[in-house]
Amino acid sequence: DTEVTQTPKHLVMGMTNKKSLKCEQHMGHRAMYWYKQKAKKPPELMFVYSYEKLSINESVPSRFSPECPNSSLLNLHLHALQPEDSALYLCASSQGLAVYEQYFGPGTRLTVT
Amino acid sequence: AQTVTQSQPEMSVQEAETVTLSCTYDTSESDYYLFWYKQPPSRQMILVIRQEAYKQQNATENRFSVNFQKAAKSFSLKISDSQLGDAAMYFCAYRSGEPRGSTLGRLYFGRGTQLTVWP
Repeated sequence: DTEVTQTPKHLVMGMTNKKSLKCEQHMGHRAMYWYKQKAKKPPELMFVYSYEKLSINESVPSRFSPECPNSSLLNLHLHALQPEDSALYLCASSQGLAVYEQYFGPGTRLTVT
Repeated sequence: AQTVTQSQPEMSVQEAETVTLSCTYDTSESDYYLFWYKQPPSRQMILVIRQEAYKQQNATENRFSVNFQKAAKSFSLKISDSQLGDAAMYFCAYRSGEPRGSTLGRLYFGRGTQLTVWP
């Protein structure tokens, strides 16, 4: 099973709202990733967790707050977003940071109004 | 820093024909991995094929094969017998085989090639 799931599929939120994106994998992977992707562009890395600890934060604004409650679950908490934050948010996982294959989820399409 | 270049923003192919997507990369490392990911309109990034730099043999997965030229730092994807379902954005990606520090966990993506398949 190489499945990474993400919920919700679509999210529309106002600039004053607080919402969360959820990502789950049951492959026993110990590294999980958040990416942001604009239309017709490659994914941009936001955060990396390894063994439930934050390993990489790509200088992402604090209105994005990641959380890794356990090795299977990754959340991205959103607060006071801007319209330019509208994008596809992809989650991925891999066996570890040093192991090469990343498996992606289907993404959450976020629209900030 | 590693860079990945896809020089073809768009490509098109007739159904059942063969198409080749180009990718070049720049690195000073000797150990690394290369990937082609496919992203159809459904949005999910799907791993199509991977190549380990230490392997001389080109990777093949069914109708997908690569032409890996290590000295030229070239990694092209050939799709044979193209099908309508192959229509997607294709991303070439690089990952260090000796990741440390800032390269740990990183995939370096090209800008993508949008492939259209005509019936």
